[in-house]
Amino acid sequence: QVSLRESGPALVKPTQTLTLTCTFSGFSLSTSGMCVSWIRQPPGKALEWLALIDWEDDKYYNTSLKTRLTISKDTSKDQVVLTMTNMGPEDTATYYCARVIAAAVVGDYWGQGAPVTVSS
Amino acid sequence: DIQMTQSPSSLSASVGDRVTITCRASQGISNYLAWFQQKPGKVPKLLIYAASTVQSGVPPRFSGSGSGTDFTLTISSLQPEDVATYYCQKYDTAPLTFGGGTKVEVK
Repeated sequence: QVSLRESGPALVKPTQTLTLTCTFSGFSLSTSGMCVSWIRQPPGKALEWLALIDWEDDKYYNTSLKTRLTISKDTSKDQVVLTMTNMGPEDTATYYCARVIAAAVVGDYWGQGAPVTVSS
Repeated sequence: DIQMTQSPSSLSASVGDRVTITCRASQGISNYLAWFQQKPGKVPKLLIYAASTVQSGVPPRFSGSGSGTDFTLTISSLQPEDVATYYCQKYDTAPLTFGGGTKVEVK
């Protein structure tokens, strides 16, 4: 049974760094083809893809946000961590992690989402 | 980066109507295209992947077609529970860009 769950702070201050953790089960990021992606959705707005890490530890980022994002994995803990620096009010959103199987399927399983508000 | 453009941005149709949503990629992406349904306050749900493969458990009234740059999601007979926003997403190569969404309402 595949599942993912996001965790992290619900409130961050402007200029702070956000760290979110995606803890998953039912698959392994050491298995060929397996990837985890991060997506966010500001209130009332569209989905925005942020980053992806794959089984070979290759990392890919949203072009517009790449200077602020870092994605990493801890295969032994079945976790993927996303950090986003210099948070601003425009980064207020629900942050999701989702499974991707390279060249096969994207987003077949999602976490429930972690709402993050940026405010002083 | 390849851009994904959905149209229309919103539509209203009657129960039983055939509904078509279009997603256009600015460059060819083969068939690496997925469709998601997101109901208000809920997590996005995968409907279609590989442009035309229906995800397990998805009602057969949902279908997808297309390849290259032009893709279509069709709801053959709109039901009240299909009220949602629908997104396409490319996954040939990074970045895995989403379309802007299509909000579907029932008249």
